[in-house]
Amino acid sequence: GAVVSQHPSWVICKSGTSVKIECRSLDFQATTMFWYRQFPKQSLMLMATSNEGSKATYEQGVEKDKFLINHASLTLSTLTVTSAHPEDSSFYICSARDRKWYQETQYFGPGTRLLVL
Amino acid sequence: DQQVKQNSPSLSVQEGRISILNCDYTNSMFDYFLWYKKYPAEGPTFLISISSIKDKNEDGRFTVFLNKSAKHLSLHIVPSQPGDSAVYFCAARNPAGNNRKLIWGLGTSLAVNP
Repeated sequence: GAVVSQHPSWVICKSGTSVKIECRSLDFQATTMFWYRQFPKQSLMLMATSNEGSKATYEQGVEKDKFLINHASLTLSTLTVTSAHPEDSSFYICSARDRKWYQETQYFGPGTRLLVL
Repeated sequence: DQQVKQNSPSLSVQEGRISILNCDYTNSMFDYFLWYKKYPAEGPTFLISISSIKDKNEDGRFTVFLNKSAKHLSLHIVPSQPGDSAVYFCAARNPAGNNRKLIWGLGTSLAVNP
């Protein structure tokens, strides 16, 4: 149980294009999903918290117009990197937390490697 | 300011021996702690967690100890296996706010040598 998928697993795009990454909880409902970014040899950096049916909460320094988050259902959140530039190249990972009130564990997707040329 | 600290960036252990990974935190309000394991180019995998009302939690080869007065927790892996070689992250729950987000340490890279 507690499986989270991400699609695509990797993407290469040209500078200026937009890229959408999907995060799905496959066997549980997640009212809250989190989007992280990881640079090489660094820790996970929380970008934003996505709540089903409401606006995402962005961490300080993360541009909400650059990284659009939509959490349209209890099993799906999407992250769109708009007008991507080479500095957006990174490893993006989502996690989901079960909607049950007592569940604290975040379950992670396998990550999406983005390379912007 | 790093609220969750993993002061050892790396650790090397012989197969079959005990691996001890340490984590310190500064915020006494943190009330739930988790350990994750991560391989390169993959998402973290949940290992074990502990609530602040407990001082020990065990799951197979993995045991987490919590010392609230010292604001310190540790993950013990016994016996260590080569497949345990990975980066281990300690995370703490911040109960403030609606999202209950996790605060992450920088990770400790564990190498288990055959």
